Amino acid sequence: EAGVTQFPSHSVIEKGQTVTLRCDPISGHDNLYWYRRVMGKEIKFLLHFVKESKQDESGMPNNRFLAERTGGTYSTLKVQPAELEDSGVYFCASSQEVPLYGNTIYFGEGSWLTVV
Amino acid sequence: EDKVVQSPLSLVVHEGDTVTLNCSYEVTNFRSLLWYKQEKKAPTFLFMLTSSGIEKKSGRLSSILDKKELSSILNITATQTGDSAIYLCAVPNTGTASKLTFGTGTRLQVTL
Repeated sequence: EAGVTQFPSHSVIEKGQTVTLRCDPISGHDNLYWYRRVMGKEIKFLLHFVKESKQDESGMPNNRFLAERTGGTYSTLKVQPAELEDSGVYFCASSQEVPLYGNTIYFGEGSWLTVV
Repeated sequence: EDKVVQSPLSLVVHEGDTVTLNCSYEVTNFRSLLWYKQEKKAPTFLFMLTSSGIEKKSGRLSSILDKKELSSILNITATQTGDSAIYLCAVPNTGTASKLTFGTGTRLQVTL
């Protein structure tokens, strides 16, 4: 069974440019999450989709970040325009159901974003 | 706001050593505590702890929760170079277990 896949694995862009990160959850997983880890900090929650609906987007840092999940399958996270402080690793995760204890969330390998 | 603090931040040991990693937490309504191992990229699940004093064990790794002290430890005995990784501790958010609060992690390096 394929795990959570993310693309691109690495991206280097200039400040002010746009980047779109893609996440394909595990097949059949209705719940999809985005997290990110900026340099020296902990992994932080960004948002949670249930199918195509945003269940919780309380962690989105500002309106330069736009997450979509049209059709309830894969998701994209667009950063526009990118700033230096956006550099970090963006993790996608998925789960079949909303977890009761958190142990059924599976993480992807992350998309490493460097803004120069 | 929920908070997780891990110590030490990093650790270098020799193969065969035993290590203990620490995690302390602050949550309004405790649900569970999770340990992950991040070797190169994806964090992979190790343990889920919900009850105090009950040790979870997997091979050379074990973990236990102390709800009175609001903490957990992860022990690795007879360390191997393959144990080199970042070990992450996380707690689900008070409102929903879909939102995890992570600590900064402990970076463990096991040398020959």
